[in-house]
Amino acid sequence: ETGVTQSPTHLIKTRGQQVTLRCSSQSGHNTVSWYQQALGQGPQFIFQYYREEENGRGNFPPRFSGLQFPNYSSELNVNALELDDSALYLCASSLDHHEQFFGPGTRLTVL
Amino acid sequence: GESVGLHLPTLSVQEGDNSIINCAYSNSASDYFIWYKQESGKGPQFIIDIRSNMDKRQGQRVTVLLNKTVKHLSLQIAATQPGDSAVYFCAENNPGTYKYIFGTGTRLKVLA
Repeated sequence: ETGVTQSPTHLIKTRGQQVTLRCSSQSGHNTVSWYQQALGQGPQFIFQYYREEENGRGNFPPRFSGLQFPNYSSELNVNALELDDSALYLCASSLDHHEQFFGPGTRLTVL
Repeated sequence: GESVGLHLPTLSVQEGDNSIINCAYSNSASDYFIWYKQESGKGPQFIIDIRSNMDKRQGQRVTVLLNKTVKHLSLQIAATQPGDSAVYFCAENNPGTYKYIFGTGTRLKVLA
Protein backbone atom coordinates (compact mmCIF):
# COMPACT_ATOMS: atom_id res chain seq x y z
CA GLU A 1 0.00 0.00 0.00
CA THR A 2 1.20 3.51 -0.85
CA GLY A 3 -0.40 5.49 1.96
CA VAL A 4 -2.46 7.52 -0.52
CA THR A 5 -6.15 7.28 0.23
CA GLN A 6 -9.15 8.36 -1.80
CA SER A 7 -12.81 8.75 -1.00
CA PRO A 8 -15.35 7.66 -1.83
CA THR A 9 -14.42 4.35 -3.47
CA HIS A 10 -17.51 4.34 -5.69
CA LEU A 11 -20.00 7.02 -6.64
CA ILE A 12 -23.06 7.20 -8.87
CA LYS A 13 -24.30 10.54 -10.18
CA THR A 14 -26.67 11.72 -12.89
CA ARG A 15 -25.93 14.04 -15.79
CA GLY A 16 -25.71 17.69 -14.83
CA GLN A 17 -24.84 17.03 -11.20
CA GLN A 18 -21.64 18.08 -9.47
CA VAL A 19 -19.18 15.80 -7.68
CA THR A 20 -16.28 16.23 -5.26
CA LEU A 21 -13.62 13.57 -4.92
CA ARG A 22 -11.05 13.58 -2.14
CA CYS A 23 -7.45 12.49 -1.82
CA SER A 24 -5.13 12.28 1.17
CA SER A 25 -1.52 12.28 0.11
CA GLN A 26 1.22 10.16 1.57
CA SER A 27 2.82 11.60 4.68
CA GLY A 28 5.55 14.08 3.76
CA HIS A 29 4.38 14.58 0.19
CA ASN A 30 3.57 18.09 -1.06
CA THR A 31 2.44 17.41 -4.63
CA VAL A 32 -0.81 15.83 -5.80
CA SER A 33 -1.71 14.95 -9.38
CA TRP A 34 -5.14 13.86 -10.59
CA TYR A 35 -5.78 11.48 -13.47
CA GLN A 36 -8.86 10.19 -15.25
CA GLN A 37 -8.77 6.56 -16.36
CA ALA A 38 -11.51 5.41 -18.71
CA LEU A 39 -12.19 1.69 -18.93
CA GLY A 40 -9.47 -0.07 -20.92
CA GLN A 41 -7.35 3.07 -21.21
CA GLY A 42 -4.32 4.52 -19.53
CA PRO A 43 -4.63 7.35 -17.02
CA GLN A 44 -5.01 10.83 -18.52
CA PHE A 45 -3.46 13.75 -16.65
CA ILE A 46 -6.02 16.29 -15.40
CA PHE A 47 -3.91 18.64 -13.29
CA GLN A 48 -1.31 18.84 -10.56
CA TYR A 49 -1.13 20.82 -7.33
CA TYR A 50 2.12 21.78 -5.68
CA ARG A 51 2.07 23.56 -2.33
CA GLU A 52 -1.58 24.59 -2.81
CA GLU A 53 -1.11 26.05 -6.31
CA GLU A 54 -2.15 24.50 -9.63
CA ASN A 55 1.08 23.54 -11.33
CA GLY A 56 0.11 22.16 -14.71
CA ARG A 57 -3.07 21.10 -16.45
CA GLY A 58 -4.00 18.57 -19.10
CA ASN A 59 -6.65 18.83 -21.82
CA PHE A 60 -9.68 18.98 -19.56
CA PRO A 61 -12.40 21.68 -19.60
CA PRO A 62 -12.74 24.27 -16.82
CA ARG A 63 -15.61 22.34 -15.22
CA PHE A 64 -12.82 20.14 -13.82
CA SER A 65 -11.33 22.08 -10.93
CA GLY A 66 -9.35 21.31 -7.84
CA LEU A 67 -7.97 22.43 -4.55
CA GLN A 68 -5.04 21.54 -2.38
CA PHE A 69 -5.19 22.22 1.34
CA PRO A 70 -2.41 23.23 3.77
CA ASN A 71 -2.06 19.60 4.86
CA TYR A 72 -1.55 18.77 1.14
CA SER A 73 -4.74 16.76 0.82
CA SER A 74 -6.67 17.58 -2.32
CA GLU A 75 -10.11 17.70 -3.90
CA LEU A 76 -11.20 17.23 -7.49
CA ASN A 77 -14.48 18.91 -8.41
CA VAL A 78 -16.41 18.21 -11.58
CA ASN A 79 -19.40 20.35 -12.50
CA ALA A 80 -22.17 19.66 -15.00
CA LEU A 81 -21.37 15.96 -15.19
CA GLU A 82 -21.53 14.25 -18.57
CA LEU A 83 -21.89 10.56 -19.37
CA ASP A 84 -18.28 10.49 -20.66
CA ASP A 85 -17.04 11.56 -17.23
CA SER A 86 -17.66 7.99 -16.06
CA ALA A 87 -14.20 6.70 -15.19
CA LEU A 88 -11.77 5.79 -12.45
CA TYR A 89 -10.29 8.95 -10.94
CA LEU A 90 -6.81 8.50 -9.55
CA CYS A 91 -4.73 10.78 -7.45
CA ALA A 92 -1.00 10.42 -7.04
CA SER A 93 1.18 12.12 -4.47
CA SER A 94 4.87 12.85 -4.60
CA LEU A 95 7.54 14.90 -2.91
CA ASP A 96 8.67 17.81 -5.07
CA HIS A 97 7.55 16.22 -8.34
CA HIS A 98 9.52 13.02 -7.89
CA GLU A 99 8.17 9.44 -8.02
CA GLN A 100 4.39 9.42 -7.89
CA PHE A 101 2.48 7.07 -5.60
CA PHE A 102 -1.08 6.34 -6.67
CA GLY A 103 -4.14 5.84 -4.56
CA PRO A 104 -6.74 3.13 -5.29
CA GLY A 105 -9.01 5.52 -7.16
CA THR A 106 -12.66 6.54 -7.07
CA ARG A 107 -14.96 4.84 -9.56
CA LEU A 108 -17.46 7.44 -10.83
CA THR A 109 -20.50 6.36 -12.81
CA VAL A 110 -22.63 9.03 -14.49
CA LEU A 111 -26.12 7.94 -15.52
CA GLY B 1 0.82 15.05 -31.02
CA GLU B 2 2.43 13.51 -28.01
CA SER B 3 1.54 9.91 -27.39
CA VAL B 4 2.76 6.82 -25.68
CA GLY B 5 1.49 3.59 -27.15
CA LEU B 6 1.94 -0.13 -26.78
CA HIS B 7 2.29 -2.69 -29.54
CA LEU B 8 0.46 -5.61 -27.89
CA PRO B 9 -2.76 -5.18 -25.95
CA THR B 10 -2.59 -8.71 -24.41
CA LEU B 11 0.40 -10.91 -23.70
CA SER B 12 0.08 -14.50 -22.47
CA VAL B 13 3.16 -16.26 -21.08
CA GLN B 14 3.82 -19.52 -19.33
CA GLU B 15 4.74 -19.36 -15.67
CA GLY B 16 8.51 -19.33 -15.37
CA ASP B 17 9.11 -17.85 -18.81
CA ASN B 18 10.41 -14.35 -19.41
CA SER B 19 7.98 -11.61 -20.48
CA ILE B 20 8.72 -8.64 -22.70
CA ILE B 21 6.30 -5.74 -22.86
CA ASN B 22 6.94 -3.06 -25.45
CA CYS B 23 6.10 0.62 -25.69
CA ALA B 24 6.63 3.31 -28.32
CA TYR B 25 6.73 6.99 -27.55
CA SER B 26 6.54 9.92 -29.92
CA ASN B 27 8.04 12.84 -27.99
CA SER B 28 11.76 12.63 -28.61
CA ALA B 29 12.30 15.34 -25.98
CA SER B 30 10.91 13.18 -23.15
CA ASP B 31 13.63 12.54 -20.61
CA TYR B 32 12.06 10.28 -18.00
CA PHE B 33 10.12 7.05 -18.40
CA ILE B 34 8.29 4.85 -15.93
CA TRP B 35 6.68 1.44 -15.98
CA TYR B 36 3.62 0.89 -13.82
CA LYS B 37 1.72 -2.27 -12.91
CA GLN B 38 -2.00 -2.02 -12.28
CA GLU B 39 -3.94 -4.86 -10.71
CA SER B 40 -7.70 -5.03 -10.83
CA GLY B 41 -9.30 -2.54 -8.46
CA LYS B 42 -6.03 -0.84 -7.58
CA GLY B 43 -4.12 2.21 -8.65
CA PRO B 44 -0.95 1.94 -10.74
CA GLN B 45 2.09 0.73 -8.84
CA PHE B 46 5.57 1.96 -9.71
CA ILE B 47 7.83 -0.80 -11.04
CA ILE B 48 10.93 0.81 -12.47
CA ASP B 49 12.04 4.03 -14.12
CA ILE B 50 14.78 5.16 -16.45
CA ARG B 51 16.17 8.51 -17.50
CA SER B 52 17.06 9.37 -21.05
CA ASN B 53 20.78 9.39 -20.30
CA MET B 54 20.63 5.62 -19.73
CA ASP B 55 19.72 2.75 -22.03
CA LYS B 56 19.23 0.00 -19.48
CA ARG B 57 18.25 -0.27 -15.86
CA GLN B 58 17.73 -3.38 -13.78
CA GLY B 59 15.60 -4.03 -10.74
CA GLN B 60 14.50 -7.14 -8.97
CA ARG B 61 13.42 -9.52 -11.79
CA VAL B 62 12.71 -6.53 -14.04
CA THR B 63 14.79 -4.73 -16.63
CA VAL B 64 13.85 -1.64 -18.60
CA LEU B 65 15.52 -0.94 -21.93
CA LEU B 66 15.39 2.42 -23.66
CA ASN B 67 16.21 2.89 -27.33
CA LYS B 68 16.10 6.61 -28.04
CA THR B 69 16.99 6.13 -31.70
CA VAL B 70 13.67 4.44 -32.45
CA LYS B 71 11.83 5.87 -29.44
CA HIS B 72 11.15 2.47 -27.94
CA LEU B 73 10.87 1.29 -24.35
CA SER B 74 10.57 -2.26 -23.12
CA LEU B 75 9.98 -4.00 -19.81
CA GLN B 76 11.44 -7.44 -19.29
CA ILE B 77 10.18 -9.61 -16.46
CA ALA B 78 12.27 -12.64 -15.63
CA ALA B 79 10.73 -15.91 -14.47
CA THR B 80 7.18 -14.60 -14.74
CA GLN B 81 4.96 -15.55 -11.82
CA PRO B 82 1.15 -15.68 -11.42
CA GLY B 83 1.37 -12.54 -9.28
CA ASP B 84 2.73 -10.68 -12.28
CA SER B 85 -0.66 -10.91 -13.99
CA ALA B 86 -1.85 -7.33 -14.37
CA VAL B 87 -2.03 -4.45 -16.83
CA TYR B 88 1.30 -2.75 -17.46
CA PHE B 89 1.61 0.88 -18.51
CA CYS B 90 4.55 2.84 -19.70
CA ALA B 91 4.52 6.57 -19.06
CA GLU B 92 6.71 9.41 -20.22
CA ASN B 93 7.41 12.67 -18.52
CA ASN B 94 7.36 15.88 -20.48
CA PRO B 95 10.55 17.81 -19.76
CA GLY B 96 9.87 21.07 -17.97
CA THR B 97 6.44 19.87 -16.86
CA TYR B 98 5.22 17.46 -14.27
CA LYS B 99 2.72 15.78 -16.57
CA TYR B 100 3.02 12.05 -17.12
CA ILE B 101 1.62 10.68 -20.39
CA PHE B 102 0.44 7.09 -20.15
CA GLY B 103 -0.10 4.56 -22.88
CA THR B 104 -3.21 2.39 -23.14
CA GLY B 105 -1.64 -0.59 -21.37
CA THR B 106 -0.78 -4.24 -22.01
CA ARG B 107 -2.55 -7.00 -20.13
CA LEU B 108 -0.14 -9.71 -19.04
CA LYS B 109 -1.67 -13.13 -18.42
CA VAL B 110 0.46 -15.76 -16.75
CA LEU B 111 -0.54 -19.32 -17.64
CA ALA B 112 0.05 -22.07 -15.08
